[in-house]
Amino acid sequence: GAVVSQHPSRVICKSGTSVKIECRSLDFQATTMFWYRQFPKQSLMLMATSNEGSKATYEQGVEKDKFLINHASLTLSTLTVTSAHPEDSSFYICSASGGLGDQPQHFGDGTRLSIL
Amino acid sequence: KQEVTQIPAALSVPEGENLVLNCSFTDSAIYNLQWFRQDPGKGLTSLLLIQSSQREQTSGRLNASLDKSSGRSTLYIAASQPGDSATYLCAVGTGGGNKLTFGTGTQLKVEL
Repeated sequence: GAVVSQHPSRVICKSGTSVKIECRSLDFQATTMFWYRQFPKQSLMLMATSNEGSKATYEQGVEKDKFLINHASLTLSTLTVTSAHPEDSSFYICSASGGLGDQPQHFGDGTRLSIL
Repeated sequence: KQEVTQIPAALSVPEGENLVLNCSFTDSAIYNLQWFRQDPGKGLTSLLLIQSSQREQTSGRLNASLDKSSGRSTLYIAASQPGDSATYLCAVGTGGGNKLTFGTGTQLKVEL
């Protein structure tokens, strides 16, 4: 149980393109979803937290107009990287939780984004 | 600001060895602590979750301990196997447990 599906797994596109990444909880209702970014050989950095039906809460230093997050249902959140540039190339991972911190976050397999 | 450190950064051991991975955090006001496994190019798999009121959790060959007052956690892996090779991350949960601050990970290689 507690499967999180993230799609696509890999994206290669030209600079200036907007890219949408989907995160779905397949067998549970995700009250809260999280988006992380991971640079090579580094750990995960939380970008934003989204609760179903509410606006996302962004971490300091993360541009909300650059990284658009939508959490329209209890099973789907999307991250759109708008007008992507090479410096946005990274590994993006989502996670989902069905409740408060007494329940673990379940992670997707990540999306490798490469901007040429 | 919470900072999480993992030592060692990399570890190579022969198969069958028992090993300990270390995690330390600067702010003891945590809600929980989780250990994860990450395979190359993949997402994270949750291994163990310890609430702040608990001292340890066990799952199979894995045992995680938590000493909140000293800001430390250890992950003990018994009888290591090549399939255990991965990067192990600890993450401290604050803000009701939903906000995770990750360590930099320990890259483990178990050799035949």
